[in-house]
Amino acid sequence: GESVGLHLPTLSVQEGDNSIINCAYSNSASDYFIWYKQESGKGPQFIIDIRSNMDKRQGQRVTVLLNKTVKHLSLQIAATQPGDSAVYFCAENPSFSGGYQKVTFGTGTKLQVIP
Amino acid sequence: GAVVSQHPSRVICKSGTSVKIECRSLDFQATTMFWYRQFPKQSLMLMATSNEGSKATYEQGVEKDKFLINHASLTLSTLTVTSAHPEDSSFYICSPAAIPYNEQFFGPGTRLTVL
Repeated sequence: GESVGLHLPTLSVQEGDNSIINCAYSNSASDYFIWYKQESGKGPQFIIDIRSNMDKRQGQRVTVLLNKTVKHLSLQIAATQPGDSAVYFCAENPSFSGGYQKVTFGTGTKLQVIP
Repeated sequence: GAVVSQHPSRVICKSGTSVKIECRSLDFQATTMFWYRQFPKQSLMLMATSNEGSKATYEQGVEKDKFLINHASLTLSTLTVTSAHPEDSSFYICSPAAIPYNEQFFGPGTRLTVL
């Protein structure tokens, strides 16, 4: 079946450096992607999203890049802080216009920020 | 953002007993509720989708008679794990779909441990 996956299970970054978390997806029909942050023992928290008609979207300290040609998604975190330590999931929704979002999660990347 | 609560946050039970998990959307109406399960160091896996007042739709491999879902109101949904076994030990997370939001919200999760 279709799946969403990640290249790196764990990423260690020095505080203040930029972090890049990657994600590969296989469903070329997906038109909406989301990044979530999950801290230990908590539910996922929305970070940023992007639709398939965009290549890049920026938020506060975060940027999501979408390369539809190679079905690749990345999350960039600028000036990484200790509070950014968490597991990050990319997720896909086959149809943003579908209303309610049946989200399929990737495998997750654990980001460890070294003080 | 919207506020979602789950109760209990943690529960330990003996094998063979049933456990009920409540999910409440505190400041919005949720006509659709998604229930996820997350095993340690793994991603979230969708278990079922329920619409208020209707029977839930279960994902492949999820036993509907074991995981009873009730979505009787727009602000409350319950997941009952019947005759729980140690392999049911997991982190259960609800996700209500809200009107008029597009963003998907997640509850804080319930840690179930079956002895």
